[in-house]
Amino acid sequence: SAVISQKPSRDICQRGTSLTIQCQVDSQVTMMFWYRQQPGQSLTLIATANQGSEATYESGFVIDKFPISRPNLTFSTLTVSNMSPEDSSIYLCSAGGQAEKLFFGSGTQLSVL
Amino acid sequence: KQEVTQIPAALSVPEGENLVLNCSFTDSAIYNLQWFRQDPGKGLTSLLLIQSSQREQTSGRLNASLDKSSGRSTLYIAASQPGDSATYLCAVRPNNNNDMRFGAGTRLTVKP
Repeated sequence: SAVISQKPSRDICQRGTSLTIQCQVDSQVTMMFWYRQQPGQSLTLIATANQGSEATYESGFVIDKFPISRPNLTFSTLTVSNMSPEDSSIYLCSAGGQAEKLFFGSGTQLSVL
Repeated sequence: KQEVTQIPAALSVPEGENLVLNCSFTDSAIYNLQWFRQDPGKGLTSLLLIQSSQREQTSGRLNASLDKSSGRSTLYIAASQPGDSATYLCAVRPNNNNDMRFGAGTRLTVKP
């Protein structure tokens, strides 16, 4: 099983600022994903973080708003840019190999004032 | 597009009761299905993974079944405890190169 460390665990940010969330996996993994969970909702995929290339974004999410890096097989970052109150959510990193369980970090609870 | 539905949305039971959570999905061509637990404000904890070729998986008091042809999975919790109170999420993986698609979850409360 993979252990995923995600930080920060929570933050309160001002409108218009940016926050970078880090995700560290304790072993090399093929696949890493970033999800958003809005209050009272289930998880929505933001993008697949691709190692060494640009992330693959889902409909409704764009690189300018959610730039993602994945420099190697164990680490990824998600930046929430130019934040507004509508960005207040839990952001979750997940990782796993093909045909294996998907593991999740503990999440980042973001509040934008 | 794969859609995942979980029924009921919320469930409250007395301690000790056995219970079943339901998950249905629209496209039976799945790679695997995974059940997760989420505590309030926290990340997800993986409970059970069922590959498309399997019919069930068991871990302790938990048993998950999969009927691909009918697009259904159930999570059976035996002898429920207050510590089981959480939201339970079902997710399906369309193929081995994709992310998982999640249901909205069932919020379970087990009363002492």
